[in-house]
Amino acid sequence: SQQGEEDPQALSIQEGENATMNCSYKTSINNLQWYRQNSGRGLVHLILIRSNEREKHSGRLRVTLDTSKKSSSLLITASRAADTASYFCATIYSGGSNYKLTFGKGTLLTVNP
Amino acid sequence: NAGVTQTPKFQVLKTGQSMTLQCAQDMNHEYMSWYRQDPGMGLRLIHYSVGAGITDQGEVPNGYNVSRSTTEDFPLRLLSAAPSQTSVYFCASSPRSLETQYFGPGTRLLVL
Repeated sequence: SQQGEEDPQALSIQEGENATMNCSYKTSINNLQWYRQNSGRGLVHLILIRSNEREKHSGRLRVTLDTSKKSSSLLITASRAADTASYFCATIYSGGSNYKLTFGKGTLLTVNP
Repeated sequence: NAGVTQTPKFQVLKTGQSMTLQCAQDMNHEYMSWYRQDPGMGLRLIHYSVGAGITDQGEVPNGYNVSRSTTEDFPLRLLSAAPSQTSVYFCASSPRSLETQYFGPGTRLLVL
């Protein structure tokens, strides 16, 4: 079964606004990653946060991780039309194979100009 | 570097036909994997390889075979295509760890 579940499934905002997407997972993890997928393209790695980290930044991206709630959030600040894409969280189980990355179903973000 | 390349970009098959989806990477990555992406399902792992000569099953391996004879190539074989295998297939590679995966552009497969 899928490990991560993103929320919401779809999000529509205006350019310049912030976008927040959430990911929940079911079991203990080694790390959690966020990927972006533009329509018709492959996925692009955005950011990784380890299980012992609580927050990480990369440019306009801010990721938080709450292992007690088994959840993560991805914040995109000052969004641009070019941020329109699907965003996926992916996890590696702790105690399982270190070679299996499990993806959620994704959040479709639309940024209107 | 070309990164991860996949061929073909699009393929139509009839039920029962066989084909091989090609995947190659020029980054000397040890780890390679195949995913399928279906609407509303996200990505599901089919098979993966941690190095030449080593492969293992993922979440949805049935109907697919893989081999890894070189570090660069990781082909995915459909022995007898079924309509349920209609999907978009992505190949990915990464260095020893899974901390960053690099994805190919995908192969869109339609099985009639």
